[in-house]
Amino acid sequence: EPEVTQTPSHQVTQMGQEVILRCVPISNHLYFYWYRQILGQKVEFLVSFYNNEISEKSEIFDDQFSVERPDGSNFTLKIRSTKLEDSAMYFCASRDSSSYNEQFFGPGTRLTVL
Amino acid sequence: LAKTTQPISMDSYEGQEVNITCSHNNIATNDYITWYQQFPSQGPRFIIQGYKTKVTNEVASLFIPADRKSSTLSLPRVSLSDTAVYYCLALGEAGSYQLTFGKGTKLSVIP
Repeated sequence: EPEVTQTPSHQVTQMGQEVILRCVPISNHLYFYWYRQILGQKVEFLVSFYNNEISEKSEIFDDQFSVERPDGSNFTLKIRSTKLEDSAMYFCASRDSSSYNEQFFGPGTRLTVL
Repeated sequence: LAKTTQPISMDSYEGQEVNITCSHNNIATNDYITWYQQFPSQGPRFIIQGYKTKVTNEVASLFIPADRKSSTLSLPRVSLSDTAVYYCLALGEAGSYQLTFGKGTKLSVIP
């Protein structure tokens, strides 16, 4: 069964450093998402991406965040200058054109900012 | 987006049927009821979706009464591996791109 993959599984960084989280969505999917989950809290939407542009973004997704689809397979989330409060599990998700509410989530990247 | 309300936690013994009820009094005409499951340290996983009456798949059943103000996710004969958080969402079929998760129901299955 096809699945969303994410790398790395765990990233440790110093405050103020840039990080790039990588995702490979399911190959025939066209809609891509990033969510985050701070330990013990709700899963929060960050951004959605379709047709090489951002479709929606939340208040969390400020100027420190950016997304990119650099090639036909990868989807990345960049945090320019990490803060302590960026420590969380980051999930990538994708869906195809027909299943509006069925998103396929990756295993997540645990980001720890020291 | 319609607000959903569900119990914070539930306990069940192995082999029992578990029913998790979700209230969505302000559900819109075009909204579908969608349930996701999240195991510890994993991403959410789509379980089932319905509009009205009953939907069943290999994992669960979803019961939605005629007024659609509530719904019940039914898990038959749970096992320890069903221990997870279950989220109820009311989503428009072609509406918002994002999934808005609440706190969900933490189901603990006891041996």
